[in-house]
Amino acid sequence: NAGVTQTPKFRILKIGQSMTLQCTQDMNHNYMYWYRQDPGMGLKLIYYSVGAGITDKGEVPNGYNVSRSTTEDFPLRLELAAPSQTSVYFCASSYDRYNQPQHFGDGTRLSIL
Amino acid sequence: GIQVEQSPPDLILQEGANSTLRCNFSDSVNNLQWFHQNPWGQLINLFYIPSGTKQNGRLSATTVATERYSLLYISSSQTTDSGVYFCAVEGNTGRRALTFGSGTRLQVQP
Repeated sequence: NAGVTQTPKFRILKIGQSMTLQCTQDMNHNYMYWYRQDPGMGLKLIYYSVGAGITDKGEVPNGYNVSRSTTEDFPLRLELAAPSQTSVYFCASSYDRYNQPQHFGDGTRLSIL
Repeated sequence: GIQVEQSPPDLILQEGANSTLRCNFSDSVNNLQWFHQNPWGQLINLFYIPSGTKQNGRLSATTVATERYSLLYISSSQTTDSGVYFCAVEGNTGRRALTFGSGTRLQVQP
């Protein structure tokens, strides 16, 4: 199993551009999450999904959108990139809400200039 | 929402030393996990431990849910233990997802 795969690993955007961060998992996990990690800080939840077709806002959802059309994929969309969105983005998944650890992808380092 | 505080924020050890990392949380939890972020930025799940004690090799963790804290013990530390250790919790009410603490940065020197 590949686990949780994120693409791209690095990206530089100009202010106002749009992009989609891809996340896919091959573990048949129901729960998927997007976090951002600013330098020297902990992780903050952007959006999460408890199953295909169901998404919900996390702590810092402004400026982002998500969709969950399949169990495997959970893309994160930035519509109008702003310098404040420069961060490392992590996708994670877990089979269930309880008694199941979260597994993380390797992250996408995004810089907006 | 639920608050998570980790201490100490930074820790420097000599190889072979033992250490204890602490995580305090502000409300009852039904999910608590410890993670290690290595120097390359990868996040590895260490323990799922909303209550009780677990051990995995040189690492062990104890959560006392009634007193709202968890401890991560690292024994005979190695340079490969360096990185940031995060505690993350999910409360019994509110958002159905983990809230992360700000982490303990550990540096193990040879």
